[in-house]
Amino acid sequence: GAVVSQHPSRVICKSGTSVKIECRSLDFQATTMFWYRQFPKQSLMLMATSNEGSKATYEQGVEKDKFLINHASLTLSTLTVTSAHPEDSSFYICSASRGNVLTFGAGSRLTVL
Amino acid sequence: KQEVTQIPAALSVPEGENLVLNCSFTDSAIYNLQWFRQDPGKGLTSLLLIQSSQREQTSGRLNASLDKSSGRSTLYIAASQPGDSATYLCAAGGNYGQNFVFGPGTRLSVLP
Repeated sequence: GAVVSQHPSRVICKSGTSVKIECRSLDFQATTMFWYRQFPKQSLMLMATSNEGSKATYEQGVEKDKFLINHASLTLSTLTVTSAHPEDSSFYICSASRGNVLTFGAGSRLTVL
Repeated sequence: KQEVTQIPAALSVPEGENLVLNCSFTDSAIYNLQWFRQDPGKGLTSLLLIQSSQREQTSGRLNASLDKSSGRSTLYIAASQPGDSATYLCAAGGNYGQNFVFGPGTRLSVLP
């Protein structure tokens, strides 16, 4: 079956630093990947849609200069949280589209001190 | 804009009970509906995927139904076990994963 790998699973960083999260589709090519964010005790909210070879499409209220998304290949999308602050602490999950089916990564928990 | 709701928000049952979790969506033009399980601090585990042309899917003790016309899906868990304790999320999906919207989840506790 389709597998999506997300790395790192946990990251702790100091305020002001940048953090990169990778999302890889291991056994299929994904022209489209999605990034979600989940705050404690809340559901997942779509942040952006990442299309291979083009700019990401961001949801309303998501700062594109803060959350940089790069989908450089058909199997890799990266999310970089720039100049992270404590309010960016959250659970970030990616998913990759294979036809009409989405496969999700295991998520990355970011804690900004 | 698609909105997904889930009832109840939380549910506590004794072990062995059969239970039903409800999911409603406002836009019936979906391509599929998916149920997930999320354990505390963990990622998502996909449980069942129902394509828009299907009425239900079954996996072990789980059965999910879909009624597009009424904008509803239910997840039926038979003979619940303490290991079923988790948050259950439903999500309504558009074409090629677009417009994939999650509900807020139902937090299930199965007491031994």
